[in-house]
Amino acid sequence: DIQMTQSPSSLSASVGDTVTITCRASRNINNYLNWYQQKLGKAPKLLIYTTSRLQSGVPSRFSGSGSGTDFTLTINSVQPEDFGTYYCQQSSSIPYTFGQGAKLDI
Amino acid sequence: QVHQVESGGGLVKPGGSLSLSCAVSGFTFSDSNMAWVRQAPGKGLEWVAWISASGASIHYAESVKGRFTVSRDNAKSSLHLQMNSLRAGDTAIYYCARESGYGWAIFDYWGQGTVVTVSS
Repeated sequence: DIQMTQSPSSLSASVGDTVTITCRASRNINNYLNWYQQKLGKAPKLLIYTTSRLQSGVPSRFSGSGSGTDFTLTINSVQPEDFGTYYCQQSSSIPYTFGQGAKLDI
Repeated sequence: QVHQVESGGGLVKPGGSLSLSCAVSGFTFSDSNMAWVRQAPGKGLEWVAWISASGASIHYAESVKGRFTVSRDNAKSSLHLQMNSLRAGDTAIYYCARESGYGWAIFDYWGQGTVVTVSS
């Protein structure tokens, strides 16, 4: 199985900050990396797919980059509504594994 | 507007069974691959099962293989998960998720989840 490791596991930011969350795969997943945001008590929401493609309706302050085994989610000018937990997920091979999550406090 | 509503969760004893359903509307269900993803209390997300649009192809996580069965009824736009030989470790919120048209295992719509608790 491909292991997905996120860092940091938790972080705090102020409104207007730039935040970066990293995700490392245990082996090459090419660009098959997706990011989800989950708020407490809610279902996950797709933010970015295939490393860098923004899901429809997601603000442009969210961006993704990377390739191979190392990936990054960046939030430019963090807003109060961006609090929550962020998960990366590889869709390169079954089983489709998720990272352990990165909790963002504003 | 897309709606996915899971049902069937509840409290069950270890070794027991439970059947989950996900009723879908707002998109052509028969064109979409679907999946079940679960989240144990206070934990992260775990992919459980995947089924192709026709139902002809199915995959499971090792942790549930042989105990869980995913199926679908395209005529009724519904997804199902039959869970047998339940263990405490199966306690979780179970979400049904639609695979987007962007590629394999990119889940763009999720239900609100149904809670399964396995406890004596």
